[in-house]
Amino acid sequence: AQSVAQPEDQVNVAEGNPLTVKCTYSVSGNPYLFWYVQYPNRGLQFLLKYITGDNLVKGSYGFEAEFNKSQTSFHLKKPSALVSDSALYFCAVRDMGNFNKFYFGSGTKLNVKP
Amino acid sequence: AAGVIQSPRHLIKEKRETATLKCYPIPRHDTVYWYQQGPGQDPQFLISFYEKMQSDKGSIPDRFSAQQFSDYHSELNMSSLELGDSALYFCASSSRIRQGATGTIYFGEGSWLTVV
Repeated sequence: AQSVAQPEDQVNVAEGNPLTVKCTYSVSGNPYLFWYVQYPNRGLQFLLKYITGDNLVKGSYGFEAEFNKSQTSFHLKKPSALVSDSALYFCAVRDMGNFNKFYFGSGTKLNVKP
Repeated sequence: AAGVIQSPRHLIKEKRETATLKCYPIPRHDTVYWYQQGPGQDPQFLISFYEKMQSDKGSIPDRFSAQQFSDYHSELNMSSLELGDSALYFCASSSRIRQGATGTIYFGEGSWLTVV
């Protein structure tokens, strides 16, 4: 079965500092991995995805994610955090065996302090 | 660019009442999904449709039903509402054909259902 885990409920970082939001995955085949961001009372917005190719994937709003097959991780990163990045971040994996299903992690609340 | 449109954005119903949520997918997207997100929870998959046929079923209660119409819009019907049904309901859409096997899912802004 496919699954993703986000080990941190909350990440606190000061504005201007680099941020990392962690995600590990468990899949039976090649992983199709995604990151979404959710602002309060809003829908999930697509940030980036890894399908194949370069392990470092660049996405919206200056975010990037690094796919690490040996560690089964897909951590979200940004070199310099902004207060406006404060939101809930979800990692997700697509079940290629059951094409229609996405599995979401439990979410990580990112707090960026001025 | 056009996004997934959901209506209504907010809905208040009493217990045992019925509610209907509507979703208009991104044009030319052939797959629609419904998710339920309770307070502080991650989104839970309810049901999906591909080309107007139900393609997968998740944790959708028997009191709920959904369908996708000829114009690809979808409706989620919820009956005998319970307090625990209070949640944010997301519709999402994707395209198998245009985006190949990757099929990024794009979400609507959600419909807030409050059952009192």
